[in-house]
Amino acid sequence: DQQVKQNSPSLSVQEGRISILNCDYTNSMFDYFLWYKKYPAEGPTFLISISSIKDKNEDGRFTVFLNKSAKHLSLHIVPSQPGDSAVYFCAASGAGSSNTGKLIFGQGTTLQVKP
Amino acid sequence: NAGVTQTPKFRVLKTGQSMTLLCAQDMNHEYMYWYRQDPGMGLRLIHYSVGEGTTAKGEVPDGYNVSRLKKQNFLLGLESAAPSQTSVYFCASSYSIWWDQPQHFGDGTRLSIL
Repeated sequence: DQQVKQNSPSLSVQEGRISILNCDYTNSMFDYFLWYKKYPAEGPTFLISISSIKDKNEDGRFTVFLNKSAKHLSLHIVPSQPGDSAVYFCAASGAGSSNTGKLIFGQGTTLQVKP
Repeated sequence: NAGVTQTPKFRVLKTGQSMTLLCAQDMNHEYMYWYRQDPGMGLRLIHYSVGEGTTAKGEVPDGYNVSRLKKQNFLLGLESAAPSQTSVYFCASSYSIWWDQPQHFGDGTRLSIL
């Protein structure tokens, strides 16, 4: 049972436009959510996170929105740049008192930003 | 500033062979994790450790063993490799379990079992 889902395997946007990556989850006990970016032949790199007590977190061009009632989060990249082309993973953690920092990952979305 | 270092980067094994993947971190992190990444499935947790001398099972632990004898090292062992264990393996570490101390990942070990 996939607790974290990224239903769009790929996304293509034009440079300068907004990229919106989506993620859905099923476990309402998750305490926080993270986005990682991954380039080929490299490990995932932390991008941005959000606690479940917030609905928005912003860091430069990257903003994550959390809608707990819909169990949905999204990552907005504005403006998109060719260097943003990578695989983006949504991850969740902290399911209540049993939290040990384990991350549950989505399947990933490949973003291509065209010049 | 090495961060998380995984050894080796590539390996090809025959079915039934054994090997150990090494993960080393120089950030004095308490928590360490082993994940595997397969096409279309994201990363899945194999085993993890919440401190030196501790280990615990993750989501997909079967066929793997781990050891954390030193705080900076986390070893993943395959006792008898199977083709289903062909994957890319990532090690990660973190200072704490909370959202403001995210996990740092190594660059992965690509393992092929023939």
